[in-house]
Amino acid sequence: GAGVSQSPSNKVTEKGKDVELRCDPISGHTALYWYRQSLGQGLEFLIYFQGNSAPDKSGLPSDRFSAERTGGSVSTLTIQRTQQEDSAVYLCASSFGGAGTGELFFGEGSRLTVL
Amino acid sequence: DQQVKQNSPSLSVQEGRISILNCDYTNSMFDYFLWYKKYPAEGPTFLISISSIKDKNEDGRFTVFLNKSAKHLSLHIVPSQPGDSAVYFCAAPLRGGTYKYIFGTGTRLKVLA
Repeated sequence: GAGVSQSPSNKVTEKGKDVELRCDPISGHTALYWYRQSLGQGLEFLIYFQGNSAPDKSGLPSDRFSAERTGGSVSTLTIQRTQQEDSAVYLCASSFGGAGTGELFFGEGSRLTVL
Repeated sequence: DQQVKQNSPSLSVQEGRISILNCDYTNSMFDYFLWYKKYPAEGPTFLISISSIKDKNEDGRFTVFLNKSAKHLSLHIVPSQPGDSAVYFCAAPLRGGTYKYIFGTGTRLKVLA
C-alpha cells in the first residue's frame, strides 16, 4: 500500500484478554517502530525493529507486551492479560533504514480500550 | 527522564498572526530534530526538520530555529491558518546502536478564524 496500514482501527476488550495489533509498513522501509499515546500524553516509544538486527525492546512497559516482525515486513504487537492502563492509541511508524535522519511515516493508529 | 520537553500543552493564535511553538531538550548528543503535526484520529505527519549544524531551516510558512547553547528549538508558523490547528510534536533520534525517536508531549495549537 501507499502508506503504513494498521489494524484494527478500534479495539474494545475486557480486562484480562489478549489483543493483537497489526502493522503493515511502507514497502521497502527497513525500520519499524511502535509507539503509544495515552490520553493527554505524548508519544511513548515501545519497540524498534531495524532489518535483521535484534529489536530494541527498551520501551516495552511490562512483560505482557511483545512484538514480532515477520519477514522484515508486517509486525504484530501483542498485549497479554490486558489492563485498563493499557488503553491508548497504538501507533506504528516505518522509515528508510536506521540512519536516524529520516522522517517517520505513521499509520493512523489502533485505538485500544480495555474495559 | 523526559529528554524532549514541550512545556506548553496548548496555544491559541488569531488567524494571520504568528504561532511560536517551543521545545527544550536535555541530551546534548541530539544532532537532528523533527517536528510532526497530528490531527485527531490520524497518525502524526512529518512537518520540518533541522540538523544541529544549522540554526534555522525554512519551508514555506514554517521555520524552525535551533539554539544549541540553550538546548532549545522553536517552530514558527506565519501566517497562521485555521487548518494549522493540530497537535505539534518535536522529536529527536536517540543514537547509539538504535535510532529510537524521542517525542515531546505535544502542543495543541488552535488558530482562531
